[in-house]
Amino acid sequence: NAGVTQTPKFRILKIGQSMTLQCTQDMNHNYMYWYRQDPGMGLKLIYYSVGAGITDKGEVPNGYNVSRSTTEDFPLRLELAAPSQTSVYFCASSYSDRGVGGYTFGSGTRLTVV
Amino acid sequence: QQPVQSPQAVILREGEDAVINCSSSKALYSVHWYRQKHGEAPVFLMILLKGGEQKGHEKISASFNEKKQQSSLYLTASQLSYSGTYFCGTVQTGANNLFFGTGTRLTVIP
Repeated sequence: NAGVTQTPKFRILKIGQSMTLQCTQDMNHNYMYWYRQDPGMGLKLIYYSVGAGITDKGEVPNGYNVSRSTTEDFPLRLELAAPSQTSVYFCASSYSDRGVGGYTFGSGTRLTVV
Repeated sequence: QQPVQSPQAVILREGEDAVINCSSSKALYSVHWYRQKHGEAPVFLMILLKGGEQKGHEKISASFNEKKQQSSLYLTASQLSYSGTYFCGTVQTGANNLFFGTGTRLTVIP
């Protein structure tokens, strides 16, 4: 059971470039989330999805976009990368709303924008 | 909306106890606790859903005072493996999303 899989693990982008962070889960969870974690800080919610075809903004959505075409996949798109987007990005999933039962996190993507 | 955690950091010797606190200014539906080791993803420890409920397993337990919007995580007889950063996450009443605190770095030394 793989759980939540994120790719790539590391990436360096130049300012203005774009990229997609991939997230796949095999637990048939309806609820999926993208968080970013800056050094020494907690996690901030970027976007979330309550099921295929349904997404919504979190606390810090500016500069990002998401889509959810299947239950398994929840990619995060960065357009026109900026140094402020240097962070560690975590994808997570849960089987119920409000996270009853807890969130399962992927191993993260460490992104540096130079 | 972000909960406040205290202390920010604590150093323990093996076998000592610790308490980590989490508080919110909003009415809460639930409180989550996670542990994150350096360079790894956060791992779910437990969730508390009702006021005054205490949960736990082995030597890690937690309480949730719904009236005060506060939760505490108790680590007893600490082990080296308990080292890491502990995050509380809160879900407000009537809301769906989890907001995380800034974390408490726990270091257990021999």
